[in-house]
Amino acid sequence: DAGVIQSPRHEVTEMGQEVTLRCKPISGHNSLFWYRQTMMRGLELLIYFNNNVPIDDSGMPEDRFSAKMPNASFSTLKIQPSEPRDSAVYFCASSRYSGDTDTQYFGPGTRLTVL
Amino acid sequence: AQKVTQAQTEISVVEKEDVTLDCVYETRDTTYYLFWYKQPPSGELVFLIRRNSFDEQNEISGRYSWNFQKSTSSFNFTITASQVVDSAVYFCALSGDQGGSEKLVFGKGMKLTVNP
Repeated sequence: DAGVIQSPRHEVTEMGQEVTLRCKPISGHNSLFWYRQTMMRGLELLIYFNNNVPIDDSGMPEDRFSAKMPNASFSTLKIQPSEPRDSAVYFCASSRYSGDTDTQYFGPGTRLTVL
Repeated sequence: AQKVTQAQTEISVVEKEDVTLDCVYETRDTTYYLFWYKQPPSGELVFLIRRNSFDEQNEISGRYSWNFQKSTSSFNFTITASQVVDSAVYFCALSGDQGGSEKLVFGKGMKLTVNP
C-alpha cells in the first residue's frame, strides 16, 4: 500500500513568492495533519482536518498560511507571500479513526528553503 | 495544556550497548495516548509504538521495549544491544482521547548515535 505522498520533496524559492505544498493521504484515512519541523521549535502542528473539515488551525502562524482539503485524497498548504523564516520541513500525516488503533503515518516531508 | 519533555538531547553509545530514552509528559486528560517515532538521517518519521493511558503493561518487541508508568508520567523506551542502524532522532508524542485522530504534541527529540 502506498504511504502518504508529498510533493514537491524539495522547494527553493525567493522571498515574496507563493509556495504550494501538496499531500495525498493514505487511501481510507479520514484525518489529515500538517506539521512543521524547525530546529528552534521542533515539530509543531499547523492544522488538521477530519473528514475534509478543518478542526484545529490554531497552529497556523499567520494569514500568509492557508490550507485546504477539497476531497478525501488531496490537501494543499499554501504560503503567500513566503518569507525566509518559513524555511522548514513540512510534514503531512494521515490517520483513520478506528477506536484504539489509529495512528498517524507521516509522509516524507517537503524541505522548503526561502531565500 | 499538554507537554512532552525529553530531557536528553543527545546520546552516543557503542554498538551492543543498551540505551534508554526518557520521556515525561504532562496532561490533564484522563484518557490519552503516547507514541514513539523514529527519524533516521533520511528524514522520514517512522511510527514505533502507541500506548493508551489505560494500558500500563510494558511491551517488548525484539530489541525494543517500553516502560509506561502513570505514577511518574513517564513513557521510556529502551533499545537492547544497539546497532548502528538505530542511529536516529527519537520523538515521544502525546495526544488526547482521540488518539491518532487528533493533534500530537511532540517532545524536542533525542538524537541517538550508535558507533561501531
